[in-house]
Amino acid sequence: RKEVEQDPGPFNVPEGATVAFNCTYSNSASQSFFWYRQDCRKEPKLLMSVYSSGNEDGRFTAQLNRASQYISLLIRDSKLSDSATYLCVVKLSNTGKLIFGQGTTLQVKP
Amino acid sequence: EPEVTQTPSHQVTQMGQEVILRCVPISNHLYFYWYRQILGQKVEFLVSFYNNEISEKSEIFDDQFSVERPDGSNFTLKIRSTKLEDSAMYFCASLLVESGELFFGEGSRLTVL
Repeated sequence: RKEVEQDPGPFNVPEGATVAFNCTYSNSASQSFFWYRQDCRKEPKLLMSVYSSGNEDGRFTAQLNRASQYISLLIRDSKLSDSATYLCVVKLSNTGKLIFGQGTTLQVKP
Repeated sequence: EPEVTQTPSHQVTQMGQEVILRCVPISNHLYFYWYRQILGQKVEFLVSFYNNEISEKSEIFDDQFSVERPDGSNFTLKIRSTKLEDSAMYFCASLLVESGELFFGEGSRLTVL
C-alpha cells in the first residue's frame, strides 16, 4: 500500500464549481498533515495545514479523520487560478521528512 | 519575505560527471532537506540535515550522493557520478520548526545526457 494515496485526476471543473479531493495515508503514527499546491514545473507551496477539528481558509476547507486515516480538501467557488496539482502530505514528526502523495490535478475552465 | 534560493536553475551534464547543486536556506532555520521530483512523478524525500549531520536519508540517497554545509550558509547536494535516471528537479527546503512548515526553493533541474 502506498504511504500516501491520492486520485491523480485530472479533475476538470467549470469556474464557480465546488470540488473535493481525498487522500488516504497508511501510517497511523503520522503526526502532521498538509495540503501543498504545485504549479507546473514549480516548487510545492504550503496551501494549508490540516487539523483534527477541521479548518477553513477562505474558500478552502480541510478535514482529517484519524480513525479512517483520511484527509480531504474542499475548494468552493473555483477560480481559474486554482488550476494546479494539489499534494497531500504527511509527516511522522515535526522535524521529520514530508511524505508526498502523487498529487491530484485540477483544471478550472471558464 | 525570506526565501530558500537554489542554484543553478538548470544544469545539463554528461553521464558519469559530478554535479553540485547549491542551496541557501532561510537564515534562522536549522533543519534542511533535499527532495527530488522526476518528471511526472511524485516528490520524493532524499535526505534531511541538522546540526551539521545527516539526520535521515532515503534508499535513493546512496553512496553517489552527499550533502554538506561548508560555510554555515550554503547547503549543497553532490552527485558523484551522474546516471540517466538522476535527471529530475531537485528541491531544497528548510523548516520553520514553530509551524512545521517546510519552505521550498524553486528547484534545480538536472538533465543527464
